Amino acid sequence: SQTIHQWPATLVQPVGSPLSLECTVEGTSNPNLYWYRQAAGRGLQLLFYSVGIGQISSEVPQNLSASRPQDRQFILSSKKLLLSDSGFYLCAWSVGPSLVTFGSGTRLTVV
Amino acid sequence: GQQLNQSPQSMFIQEGEDVSMNCTSSSIFNTWLWYKQDPGEGPVLLIALYKAGELTSNGRLTAQFGITRKDSFLNISASIPSDVGIYFCAGQLGNYGGSQGNLIFGKGTKLSVKP
Repeated sequence: SQTIHQWPATLVQPVGSPLSLECTVEGTSNPNLYWYRQAAGRGLQLLFYSVGIGQISSEVPQNLSASRPQDRQFILSSKKLLLSDSGFYLCAWSVGPSLVTFGSGTRLTVV
Repeated sequence: GQQLNQSPQSMFIQEGEDVSMNCTSSSIFNTWLWYKQDPGEGPVLLIALYKAGELTSNGRLTAQFGITRKDSFLNISASIPSDVGIYFCAGQLGNYGGSQGNLIFGKGTKLSVKP
């Protein structure tokens, strides 16, 4: 069966520090991978999606970037965090366009 | 861009009551999905609908794919405290062009149950 792992679960980082959130998927090949952000417990904002290794599409301009170095690995990064980067970050995967499955999320607090 | 209007935004109900929420759009969807998110967790898929008019149940949950393909509703019968959470609808547009599969999410319905 397929599983998705996302870590860390919580993170507190100072303003201006770098960020790296990692997500891996097991039990499937060539999945579509996504990063979402959720603010204030409501609404899912799609940040990045990837349909293959090295293929990243950004949905909104921002202080973040994503990379997909391996088929089932998706990384969300920032060189310098802003206060406004605080939020709940969700990694997700799908095979094909629907049935998106989410990870357990990372609560990021920038202080 | 396409939008889903999900309502209500929030609701408080007494334990044992039935709950209904819905999503509507001006666009036609090929798939409707309903997710539930518990506090501090990622959303979990509850029900997936693939055909107009389809009515699908998952325990006390029932969801329907609207005949016009522009709407869907989710009903929860005999609510219990563990039903608390945020419920999201999501619709997939017909013209999959690589843009995250054109899966559009509603803004969520926050359900709170009074024990």
